[in-house]
Amino acid sequence: SYVLTQPPSVSVAPGQTAIITCGGNNIGSKSVHWYQQKPGQAPVLVVYNDNDRPSGIPERFSGSNSGNTATLTISRVEAGDEADYYCQVWGGFRDHVYVFGFGTKVTVL
Amino acid sequence: QITLKESGPTLVKPTQTLTLTCTVSGFSLNISGVAVGWIRQPPGKALEWLATIYWDDDKRYSPSLKSRLTVTKDTSKNQVVLMMTNMEPVDTGTYYCAHKGFYYYGLDVWGPGTTVTVSS
Repeated sequence: SYVLTQPPSVSVAPGQTAIITCGGNNIGSKSVHWYQQKPGQAPVLVVYNDNDRPSGIPERFSGSNSGNTATLTISRVEAGDEADYYCQVWGGFRDHVYVFGFGTKVTVL
Repeated sequence: QITLKESGPTLVKPTQTLTLTCTVSGFSLNISGVAVGWIRQPPGKALEWLATIYWDDDKRYSPSLKSRLTVTKDTSKNQVVLMMTNMEPVDTGTYYCAHKGFYYYGLDVWGPGTTVTVSS
């Protein structure tokens, strides 16, 4: 089965840039989606199809995907960005499996 | 505006069958391209995809849980139902339903989730 690997935690100072990686075998050939989840709340989609943002998501959130690593970048980090972040891919038309990463806790110092 | 809301029991006993309902609004379950997924999250752990049902009644399941899951939809009621048999304490967690993006395979709108505890 396909596995997505994320660092357990990332710490960043306010105003700096947080970079969250998502590793997977040839993940660059897949579309990657990213979710933000704050404590006690449902996940919120922040980036889809590698680097598109849903309506209402700040431009500070951006993504990239190439080779074996996808990346979510949060620029000018704010206290309100502190949350868990999950990457997700779809397995394709053969099995339609959704795969989530293990999640990364972003702490704003 | 698309919304989803999960409902069902908060407590089930081991070996029982869990039945959860996702009531949706803002879209129709029989429109081409529409799909609703179920995802769960044990306390303090990561998200886990369970199942997806598509507008054409195509159903897909997590390989590891396929034998225990059944997903159905009732278009007239705007509801999607997930059944999970033989519940165990490790199945304790928050269960979410979510709307698949129309042109991509991400989940763009989520319900608030419902918490299920499996205990005797």
